[in-house]
Amino acid sequence: SQQGEEDPQALSIQEGENATMNCSYKTSINNLQWYRQNSGRGLVHLILIRSNEREKHSGRLRVTLDTSKKSSSLLITASRAADTASYFCATDGGNTGKLIFGQGTTLQVKP
Amino acid sequence: KAGVTQTPRYLIKTRGQQVTLSCSPISGHRSVSWYQQTPGQGLQFLFEYFSETQRNKGNFPGRFSGRQFSNSRSEMNVSTLELGDSALYLCASSLGQLAGGQETQYFGPGTRLLVL
Repeated sequence: SQQGEEDPQALSIQEGENATMNCSYKTSINNLQWYRQNSGRGLVHLILIRSNEREKHSGRLRVTLDTSKKSSSLLITASRAADTASYFCATDGGNTGKLIFGQGTTLQVKP
Repeated sequence: KAGVTQTPRYLIKTRGQQVTLSCSPISGHRSVSWYQQTPGQGLQFLFEYFSETQRNKGNFPGRFSGRQFSNSRSEMNVSTLELGDSALYLCASSLGQLAGGQETQYFGPGTRLLVL
């Protein structure tokens, strides 16, 4: 079963707008990661944020983590058509020894 | 460094057959994990291998098995294929210093398996 939920399931925006995706999880974690997947291909790692971190940036990406609410958000600023993809959050579920993925958010950026 | 490679990329099999998928990790990575992705169940963990030993296992039947070689390359095998095994199979490699899920995972392009 999946660790949690991602919201929204689908998002459609115009190029240049910001995109925000949310992820909730159920158990305690050591870290949370975000991945991108283009059209059923392999996943590309975006950011890893540890449980003692609240915010992390990487280029146009900003990730926040609220362990008290068991939630995380991914913000993509100034989106581009090339950002069109599915975005997944994944946690380690504590010490489960595996990545537990959410169902993903499908982002469409219209040129 | 070369990325994670998976072979074959596409595979068509019939029910009852068996299949072997291969994964070559990034050079220096000692951990290889396998995931199954389907539209209905999403991404699910199959197993992780580290130093030729299975370190973690997901909730899949015994028909799914794997192994890792001394050069860290890994194979997974599915025997007695069922229609529901149709999926994208992804492998991911990491350094292996921490248990799977606690390190950045680098994914291969996947093997798309269709069972008829």
